[in-house]
Amino acid sequence: GEDVEQSLFLSVREGDSSVINCTYTDSSSTYLYWYKQEPGAGLQLLTYIFSNMDMKQDQRLTVLLNKKDKHLSLRIADTQTGDSAIYFCAEREAGGGNKLTFGTGTQLKVEL
Amino acid sequence: EPEVTQTPSHQVTQMGQEVILRCVPISNHLYFYWYRQILGQKVEFLVSFYNNEISEKSEIFDDQFSVERPDGSNFTLKIRSTKLEDSAMYFCASSELGTGAGDTEAFFGQGTRLTVV
Repeated sequence: GEDVEQSLFLSVREGDSSVINCTYTDSSSTYLYWYKQEPGAGLQLLTYIFSNMDMKQDQRLTVLLNKKDKHLSLRIADTQTGDSAIYFCAEREAGGGNKLTFGTGTQLKVEL
Repeated sequence: EPEVTQTPSHQVTQMGQEVILRCVPISNHLYFYWYRQILGQKVEFLVSFYNNEISEKSEIFDDQFSVERPDGSNFTLKIRSTKLEDSAMYFCASSELGTGAGDTEAFFGQGTRLTVV
């Protein structure tokens, strides 16, 4: 079955760029998503990318998709302390209906 | 801003007891979902619900689980006889369209932490 993997932790200094990586196994993935979870809150959709795209930029967020390597990344420019959260990568496979497959989440810690 | 709300935020129950987790989806949404995350593991899909019936479910969603939309606003997940391994964070979500339409956002609640002792 499909699988999504992420590293568990990332620590960056305020003002630096953060890059959170994700790999997935399902080559038929159609949409890939990044969700953010702040403490005590639900999962908030940050951005998504369709599988026929290589890159998507939205303000400080840049998503890069390497479909050949099944690698997805989320770059956060000028990382702020408010960006500290858990970031989840998720994919939806072709014909997968309404089901999203999530990774374990990457805990981003932003230090002063 | 409309949001998905879940109650309670934390539920402790004894093994073998029935538990009902409650969710109020966003009012104009038509699709509803339950996911769970066991501590340290991945967020896993449990079930999706549309038009008063289950549209998709995972292997986890066995006969011990059921979902219901008892009225126009609530969406519940029932676990009939809880096991220790049911301890997890349970997330409810809703969307206007099915997430089969990729640009439709699924809005998630803050989760209910279920602890089975």
